[in-house]
Amino acid sequence: GNSVTQMEGPVTLSEEAFLTINCTYTATGYPSLFWYVQYPGEGLQLLLKATKADDKGSNKGFEATYRKETTSFHLEKGSVQVSDSAVYFCALNDYKLSFGAGTTVTVRA
Amino acid sequence: EPEVTQTPSHQVTQMGQEVILRCVPISNHLYFYWYRQILGQKVEFLVSFYNNEISEKSEIFDDQFSVERPDGSNFTLKIRSTKLEDSAMYFCASSGDQTTNEKLFFGSGTQLSVL
Repeated sequence: GNSVTQMEGPVTLSEEAFLTINCTYTATGYPSLFWYVQYPGEGLQLLLKATKADDKGSNKGFEATYRKETTSFHLEKGSVQVSDSAVYFCALNDYKLSFGAGTTVTVRA
Repeated sequence: EPEVTQTPSHQVTQMGQEVILRCVPISNHLYFYWYRQILGQKVEFLVSFYNNEISEKSEIFDDQFSVERPDGSNFTLKIRSTKLEDSAMYFCASSGDQTTNEKLFFGSGTQLSVL
């Protein structure tokens, strides 16, 4: 079946560092891909999405490009802030959402 | 901004007891979901609900689980006889549109601990 695999955490960074979280997927078709974020004490929120190959999703300085050739959807941000500390989930849409295990990111001041 | 509300935020229960997890979806939404995440594992789909009936359920959602929309505003998940392995964070979600799942709105979750 369809599934996503994302890099394990936790990830600890200093402010203004570059962040990348790897995500790869397995799918029979061409699903939509998502990154969700969960800030401490809050619910899951959609961060960005891409619906077809070569699409780039972006939001709040984060970017991810749907790469069909490498079946990947890596999340990147060029300069993180303390407020980016959260758990990040990669997901794909095969009628219902299938999530990765989540990556905890902590940004130190 | 409208939000999905879940109560309680943390529930502790003894093995074999019944628990009910409560959710108040966004008021004009029509599609409702439960997901769960066992510590360190993936967020897993449990069940979807539309028009007062289950539209899809996973293999996790066995006879010990049930869902209900008792009064038009609440959406509950009942576990009839809890097991240790039911300990997890349970997320409720709602959507106004089934065709685009990215419009799911999630609650902040109920952490269920079965002792």
